[in-house]
Amino acid sequence: QKEVEQNSGPLSVPEGAIASLNCTYSDRGSQSFFWYRQYSGKSPELIMFIYSNGDKEDGRFTAQLNKASQYVSLLIRDSQPSDSATYLCAVYGYSGAGSYQLTFGKGTKLSVIP
Amino acid sequence: DVKVTQSSRYLVKRTGEKVFLECVQDMDHENMFWYRQDPGLGLRLIYFSYDVKMKEKGDIPEGYSVSREKKERFSLILESASTNQTSMYLCASSLAGNYEQYFGPGTRLTVT
Repeated sequence: QKEVEQNSGPLSVPEGAIASLNCTYSDRGSQSFFWYRQYSGKSPELIMFIYSNGDKEDGRFTAQLNKASQYVSLLIRDSQPSDSATYLCAVYGYSGAGSYQLTFGKGTKLSVIP
Repeated sequence: DVKVTQSSRYLVKRTGEKVFLECVQDMDHENMFWYRQDPGLGLRLIYFSYDVKMKEKGDIPEGYSVSREKKERFSLILESASTNQTSMYLCASSLAGNYEQYFGPGTRLTVT
């Protein structure tokens, strides 16, 4: 059974600081990695994806992937109160039942303190 | 922009009723998915479809069925609703060969 693990938090950071969100996964054959943001009462919104080892930057967001360590992270620079949400890590790989699918972590709740 | 819509935001049904949840996407996506989200359990895949009239079981298909008669529409059916099916139901879609899924607004179903 594939597993995607995240610290549930809450993670509290002051406004303007860097928020670091971490995710580990169990399936070494996993191919693609995603970060979704979910505001309370809303559906998940895709904010970043990364397929190759290393860093990928998009505005204030940086995704980092280390396949050897089976670790993916999301850094949010200059954190704003509007970044307060639950962040879901998702990993795409073989389900073990003849298909490929996304497996989601349970999410880390981020709180940015003004 | 990708637009995925779901027929209801909130739904209240009685135990034993047959429940239909509808999802429509307007971006000609081949792949469509149904998830449920519960506190402490996260997002879990119920069923998915890669093409019209095609369906695949996800991690928790028991008690559910699906229908995909048209490319843009994917329906989730609860044959006989039970209280343990009270949950947030989320539909998502993606292009063929593309792993990026886009979610609809969700339907919060309460079974009493």
